Amino acid sequence: DTGVSQDPRHKITKRGQNVTFRCDPISEHNRLYWYRQTLGQGPEFLTYFQNEAQLEKSRLLSDRFSAERPKGSFSTLEIQRTEQGDSAMYLCASSLGQELPSYEQYFGPGTRLTVT
Amino acid sequence: GQQVMQIPQYQHVQEGEDFTTYCNSSTTLSNIQWYKQRPGGHPVFLIQLVKSGEVKKQKRLTFQFGEAKKNSSLHITATQTTDVGTYFCAGRYYGQNFVFGPGTRLSVLP
Repeated sequence: DTGVSQDPRHKITKRGQNVTFRCDPISEHNRLYWYRQTLGQGPEFLTYFQNEAQLEKSRLLSDRFSAERPKGSFSTLEIQRTEQGDSAMYLCASSLGQELPSYEQYFGPGTRLTVT
Repeated sequence: GQQVMQIPQYQHVQEGEDFTTYCNSSTTLSNIQWYKQRPGGHPVFLIQLVKSGEVKKQKRLTFQFGEAKKNSSLHITATQTTDVGTYFCAGRYYGQNFVFGPGTRLSVLP
């Protein structure tokens, strides 16, 4: 399968614990995005990378969230001191990188986080 | 921050009826993309519109981008049960990343 993969698919954690998610993009894609989606809402942008550089981070994103893409391939999203409000589906997407026009984003299956 | 609105929130149609969802922004968009998300699935890219007044068709789906690049629509002719899902528009503002609308959930009754 050459699509975007995410691991784990489901994560249940207790409030206050740290969690880390992994995303493996399509190999030739240099852009990688993280989104959060809650029930009945559209994906909410969190951050994106162009190769290994993190170019933008949502102003709404708490400093408990951090993302890395160390070698410009896979990426990790860490949430520290999880709160119940962090419960959501975390989606990763990748695309070729170009300012205009943009390329389509290919989404992974997501990691569903439940904070108890 | 920038917001993209979509109406309606829900639409229930009988199979064979037409369906339209509208996407609106208060400020000019650079371009817009449309995605479909099936229940339990992830968003899948449908189309991208870049030019003012652009119209694109994919079989029974017709996509339009407004002249002012502030609104867009997706029209499905003669819906089928396979059209069930949530349709999202994602607007891109100049120099920024995509902002997804809240989506329109379509259900098709056989």
